[in-house]
Amino acid sequence: ETGVTQTPRHLVMGMTNKKSLKCEQHLGHNAMYWYKQSAKKPLELMFVYNFKEQTENNSVPSRFSPECPNSSHLFLHLHTLQPEDSALYLCASSQDYFSYNEQFFGPGTRLTVL
Amino acid sequence: AQTVTQSQPEMSVQEAETVTLSCTYDTSESDYYLFWYKQPPSRQMILVIRQEAYKQQNATENRFSVNFQKAAKSFSLKISDSQLGDAAMYFCAYRSAEAAGNKLTFGGGTRVLVKP
Repeated sequence: ETGVTQTPRHLVMGMTNKKSLKCEQHLGHNAMYWYKQSAKKPLELMFVYNFKEQTENNSVPSRFSPECPNSSHLFLHLHTLQPEDSALYLCASSQDYFSYNEQFFGPGTRLTVL
Repeated sequence: AQTVTQSQPEMSVQEAETVTLSCTYDTSESDYYLFWYKQPPSRQMILVIRQEAYKQQNATENRFSVNFQKAAKSFSLKISDSQLGDAAMYFCAYRSAEAAGNKLTFGGGTRVLVKP
């Protein structure tokens, strides 16, 4: 595997389910990001981890819970979601968060909440 | 806070022709970076081109070039000799060079359709 990978690519869940999204980067980067891409809205940054420490949380509801066990892996744990949470969730990584460097994106997980 | 606006939801271009995508942004900062990202149907966002605000010269990457007008806060992307593989969503993005953090602010995107 190369670059940034995300699993699953598609996920359908009910509002009472608990599921997790996984992101893995094979680039030796130290910063990882979660973005939400909703229809007709710009990409929204949700969380940033830099060297496994959460650096940014853009007022994301607590039903989204990120986890970064190491610099290569990032998870987004989901529970009691709402239909409006249906979106494409993109993961990205970069060399680190506090200097300018390119962000590399994964293919995303298309989430549908019923 | 910075905002990025892409006023064209969709643009259509004939294969081998040229298309220009518009992007305007609002900022009080003088030093920043601007980017164009491409998101094909496979959904993987790819960096197409970037521009540093302190550089007067417009960036060029093969068939992709930008027209950066700092005073007008405008950053348009020109795709020359359009190919079928150019069909995608294109996003303009802004990153501050003055604030801490590698944080991108995206526009709403422009869908590019390429007609054979």
